[in-house]
Amino acid sequence: DADVTQTPRNRITKTGKRIMLECSQTKGHDRMYWYRQDPGLGLRLIYYSFDVKDINKGEISDGYSVSRQAQAKFSLSLESAIPNQTALYFCATRRGEWETQYFGPGTRLLVL
Amino acid sequence: DQQVKQNSPSLSVQEGRISILNCDYTNSMFDYFLWYKKYPAEGPTFLISISSIKDKNEDGRFTVFLNKSAKHLSLHIVPSQPGDSAVYFCAASGDAGGTSYGKLTFGQGTILTVHP
Repeated sequence: DADVTQTPRNRITKTGKRIMLECSQTKGHDRMYWYRQDPGLGLRLIYYSFDVKDINKGEISDGYSVSRQAQAKFSLSLESAIPNQTALYFCATRRGEWETQYFGPGTRLLVL
Repeated sequence: DQQVKQNSPSLSVQEGRISILNCDYTNSMFDYFLWYKKYPAEGPTFLISISSIKDKNEDGRFTVFLNKSAKHLSLHIVPSQPGDSAVYFCAASGDAGGTSYGKLTFGQGTILTVHP
């Protein structure tokens, strides 16, 4: 069983629509992250969370919001999707000191 | 401004030879560096890391070298195998230790192709 799962894996939506990407983890980690990957730009941090009461903006948070419903769940929302939000989105988790981040399989989003 | 750069978008190597992937960074506050490997349709997976107190870390066929004065790190894969073909990302953190967020800044990635 995968430790970090993302749903949906693929999504096509239209400009202006609201969409939610979900991330769940069974690793028991406190820290969770959302990234997007674009060709030629690597992964860029959108939001991150230390625990359910701690939400922080990353380097490209505009146009996105998040919700940490529980320690194991971290959702990313696009309130009004636009075409330049077409990208591959990754969720990641981390336990603590000097630990690496563990990534989910990604969600491929296409905004028409 | 890209704080972590991988200037080679792609690298092609023959099986059995050495693969050298390079990464440069600009932020002197970075103190922990990682390499991730990514196959198509999968998330990145951790490969190897190095803290700034070291200049070399080895794990099997993979070795990471850190040159702090040049703000440069490299990943050596010896010998390269066709299964190593993937996208390789270097990443850096300035707050890896302690009760910190551990945010990572990634490079653009290098596509490694190992030919049989």
